[in-house]
Amino acid sequence: GQQLNQSPQSMFIQEGEDVSMNCTSSSIFNTWLWYKQDPGEGPVLLIALYKAGELTSNGRLTAQFGITRKDSFLNISASIPSDVGIYFCAGQPLITGGFKTIFGAGTRLFVKA
Amino acid sequence: EAQVTQNPRYLITVTGKKLTVTCSQNMNHEYMSWYRQDPGLGLRQIYYSMNVEVTDKGDVPEGYKVSRKEKRNFPLILESPSPNQTSLYFCASSYLGASPSYNEQFFGPGTRLTVL
Repeated sequence: GQQLNQSPQSMFIQEGEDVSMNCTSSSIFNTWLWYKQDPGEGPVLLIALYKAGELTSNGRLTAQFGITRKDSFLNISASIPSDVGIYFCAGQPLITGGFKTIFGAGTRLFVKA
Repeated sequence: EAQVTQNPRYLITVTGKKLTVTCSQNMNHEYMSWYRQDPGLGLRQIYYSMNVEVTDKGDVPEGYKVSRKEKRNFPLILESPSPNQTSLYFCASSYLGASPSYNEQFFGPGTRLTVL
């Protein structure tokens, strides 16, 4: 089936540093989504992207929908300790009569104060 | 408060003992789905439902059953659990609209299942 390759698997950074993570796929997606999961909780949607080339920001977070529709990246600027968690990319291929969401394996972010 | 609730949050059981994990949403969403999360694999879809009495298999449906008799509820049933079903399970729901922005899923808090 369709798969997403998310990298890096984990990141250890200092507070204040910028972070970048990305997802690639061999398939085209109609929608790209970025979620964050805090310990003991379900994923929460951070940013949704609907058009190739789209660049969207949400506070210190910026994400882009790749031109080829096969990739997306998420940047976090000036990281803070509460950014700790697992970040998932997710893609939704174009299907008729509904939708399907495919998740990457996640990027685990550690921020040292 | 708009939310997706799951019960139980934690469950330890033994091989072969049937169990049900409940999921309920109060947002009148048409679409509901179950995922399992395993280390290094992200979230994998087990089953989904487009509306009442409409369900379909996701990527890893073996060993699971679901039902959708009411719009708000979508229970996950393990008829004969096995140790390889030890995992963290998430229920999610969404509107189902023509515009992609309707298809943003809201997740429950998760159910950690251990099968001995």
